[in-house]
Amino acid sequence: KAGVTQTPRYLIKTRGQQVTLSCSPISGHRSVSWYQQTPGQGLQFLFEYFSETQRNKGNFPGRFSGRQFSNSRSEMNVSTLELGDSALYLCASSFGGVNIQYFGAGTRLSVL
Amino acid sequence: KQEVTQIPAALSVPEGENLVLNCSFTDSAIYNLQWFRQDPGKGLTSLLLIQSSQREQTSGRLNASLDKSSGRSTLYIAASQPGDSATYLCAVPAGETSGSRLTFGEGTQLTVNP
Repeated sequence: KAGVTQTPRYLIKTRGQQVTLSCSPISGHRSVSWYQQTPGQGLQFLFEYFSETQRNKGNFPGRFSGRQFSNSRSEMNVSTLELGDSALYLCASSFGGVNIQYFGAGTRLSVL
Repeated sequence: KQEVTQIPAALSVPEGENLVLNCSFTDSAIYNLQWFRQDPGKGLTSLLLIQSSQREQTSGRLNASLDKSSGRSTLYIAASQPGDSATYLCAVPAGETSGSRLTFGEGTQLTVNP
């Protein structure tokens, strides 16, 4: 059974650009959550999508957005990149609710 | 608001030692608690999920315990090996209306020396 797949694994962007990250969940999982991990802030929740609907949102500016497709694959978009957006972005998939969650390998974003 | 704390922040032990990692949470009304492992620059690997109705959960050399009333969980690693070196994180669901959102501790960075 394939795990959670995140693409790309690494990205280098400059300030002001925008970026799109992709997450393919485990087959059958309908929930995809996104987290930002930085050395200073730890793991912070961005948002969760379930059956193409955003179900939860963390405390991030509107530059951070996402969507989920009918096959449960999810994308996360960050517009007008700032240096502080440099981080490891992780997505997790599950059947939803309080079920066990499985994480992908992450996308390392560097903003120069 | 749920808060999760992990102690110690870092731990260095010689190979073969048994060790305990601690996790505490402020709101005892949790559905479950999950332990993860993270290698440097990598994603999170799920180690154990312990349900609120369980006291213990075991997987190989790992044993997780849960005491909801005191807001604590421990991860016991038996006969540690250099390959166990990683950061260990615990996480709980953020709340009844928070879907799959997890609240994480800051993690314990474990180094097992050969």
